[in-house]
Amino acid sequence: AQSVTQLGSHVSVSEGALVLLRCNYSSSVPPYLFWYVQYPNQGLQLLLKYTTGATLVKGINGFEAEFKKSETSFHLTKPSAHMSDAAEYFCAVSVRNKLVFGAGTILRVKS
Amino acid sequence: DAGVIQSPRHEVTEMGQEVTLRCKPISGHDYLFWYRQTMMRGLELLIYFNNNVPIDDSGMPEDRFSAKMPNASFSTLKIQPSEPRDSAVYFCASSFGFVGTGELFFGEGSRLTVL
Repeated sequence: AQSVTQLGSHVSVSEGALVLLRCNYSSSVPPYLFWYVQYPNQGLQLLLKYTTGATLVKGINGFEAEFKKSETSFHLTKPSAHMSDAAEYFCAVSVRNKLVFGAGTILRVKS
Repeated sequence: DAGVIQSPRHEVTEMGQEVTLRCKPISGHDYLFWYRQTMMRGLELLIYFNNNVPIDDSGMPEDRFSAKMPNASFSTLKIQPSEPRDSAVYFCASSFGFVGTGELFFGEGSRLTVL
């Protein structure tokens, strides 16, 4: 069955530091992969997605992710963290026209 | 353009009472999804509709839960009778076309507390 695993339920970085949130997927077919972000007391919103084509995907707010088939990974990165990036981030995979989400990673940004 | 609208935003009720959560999807979207979010289980898909027809309700926990979509602009999720373990944030989301390559637009959620 297709699924995603997010490594680390909490990640803490200093403002200006690199953000790296890890996601590994399990899929028997080429997956469609997504990252969503949830700010406190809000719904989720799409950061970026990989369907086909270029394996390095750029999203909103300076985030990007790279699809690595050999590592079955889709890690999310941002070169320099900002206080406004503090939120919960969800990796997701499309399974038969529905999204299955990972457990989420809470990102804390320290000043 | 208005996003996905959910009501109520907060609901506190007592065990055994009926709860109805409401959702208005984005106009023109043909898919509607109901998710439940809890600390223990994360985000779970309960049911989804395509063109107002339920397609997959395998995530509905039990018969106490039911969902309807009488028209393209309105859906309800009903719990009867409610139990404390139903306490969660319930999200409605909508999309246009195949969600595998598209984008889900989420509402702000309905936070349910069952005492």
